[in-house]
Amino acid sequence: AQKVTQAQTEISVVEKEDVTLDCVYETRDTTYYLFWYKQPPSGELVFLIRRNSFDEQNEISGRYSWNFQKSTSSFNFTITASQVVDSAVYFCALSEDNQGGKLIFGQGTELSVKP
Amino acid sequence: DAGVIQSPRHEVTEMGQEVTLRCKPISGHNSLFWYRQTMMRGLELLIYFNNNVPIDDSGMPEDRFSAKMPNASFSTLKIQPSEPRDSAVYFCASRREAYVADMNTEAFFGQGTRLTVV
Repeated sequence: AQKVTQAQTEISVVEKEDVTLDCVYETRDTTYYLFWYKQPPSGELVFLIRRNSFDEQNEISGRYSWNFQKSTSSFNFTITASQVVDSAVYFCALSEDNQGGKLIFGQGTELSVKP
Repeated sequence: DAGVIQSPRHEVTEMGQEVTLRCKPISGHNSLFWYRQTMMRGLELLIYFNNNVPIDDSGMPEDRFSAKMPNASFSTLKIQPSEPRDSAVYFCASRREAYVADMNTEAFFGQGTRLTVV
């Protein structure tokens, strides 16, 4: 069965600190896709990144970076030099191949960045 | 591109009333999803369509819930009769189906409809 676990319910940091959000997934498929979405206080869900299971290269986008490790079934998200605007709930999600793009979401991690 | 458009943004209704939520997907996207977000259950898929055809409705909680997609640019989620436990944020999302093997594309979400049933 597929499952996504985000063990950190809430994280609070001070501005400019680095913070890592953990994501562990379970799937029996060999082909799958991992995603991160951001939900700011305004409520919409904003797509951040998609990673295919056959591509373990880490990715960096500005202050954001993602570490994908199949050996530990993890897809962690790091924000460097956090800012107040990063305050949001972050969701990790899994989509298995041939499932039409259905997303299985983790419970989310609420990040609070204080000035 | 206007993104996924949902209406209304907020809906307050009395128990027993019919509620209809609307969604306009991104033009060119051929998959559409309805998700529900609650504190207790998080984000869960209710139903999804591919090329206007319902593919998987196993997440629809009860017969009180129904969804339609009469054409590629419009979908509705109806609850009749509504109950207080239906109070949640309902999201619509769309994506472009990938026709290349071993590929997938991301879904883009609307701003959601916050439903309150009193």
